[in-house]
Amino acid sequence: DGGITQSPKYLFRKEGQNVTLSCEQNLNHDAMYWYRQDPGQGLRLIYYSQIVNDFQKGDIAEGYSVSREKKESFPLTVTSAQKNPTAFYLCASAPAGETDTQYFGPGTRLTVL
Amino acid sequence: GENVEQHPSTLSVQEGDSAVIKCTYSDSASNYFPWYKQELGKRPQLIIDIRSNVGEKKDQRIAVTLNKTAKHFSLHITETQPEDSAVYFCAAIWDSGGGADGLTFGKGTHLIIQP
Repeated sequence: DGGITQSPKYLFRKEGQNVTLSCEQNLNHDAMYWYRQDPGQGLRLIYYSQIVNDFQKGDIAEGYSVSREKKESFPLTVTSAQKNPTAFYLCASAPAGETDTQYFGPGTRLTVL
Repeated sequence: GENVEQHPSTLSVQEGDSAVIKCTYSDSASNYFPWYKQELGKRPQLIIDIRSNVGEKKDQRIAVTLNKTAKHFSLHITETQPEDSAVYFCAAIWDSGGGADGLTFGKGTHLIIQP
């Protein structure tokens, strides 16, 4: 999972601003995922993409948007419509033919002031 | 959709003793069950997984058992060590063969190893 990078590690934004979180992988994985983690909680799926130029909503997609223009990149935008955006955001990827075995990036901690 | 329940939320054991964490799932079509270990502020790390065609899998001090009929699976850690202290998450997924959806996670178990 060292081939999955997320930036920045910490991010501070003012309420009402959109912010984009980066996720890049050099593992040649087809599938990529975004999860949100709140304190004391498990991870919840926001969006996922199994192939370039295609993505699906997860359980908590409202207030978020994604794009998948390149295989190695899956950026997540947290929009002003997201009511409670402060959280730890984790990106994951999985290889073709084994898309259930997911490996995580180091995460981005977003704080909205 | 899938729902995963995990128990206990906190587990404290003496160093050297065994620890068991249990999860139940709701969707009988789920066929892949990974366990992740997460240390404070870090990414979840896959430690072991099991597929629905297997009842048990072991890797050194860690084992996972699966009961498909009862829809529950458990993580067993033997001879616990201080470095086992972390939060452990179970998860479930259904892979139809055309590509898997995202994982559904339990809420986590904070495992504390007492010296």
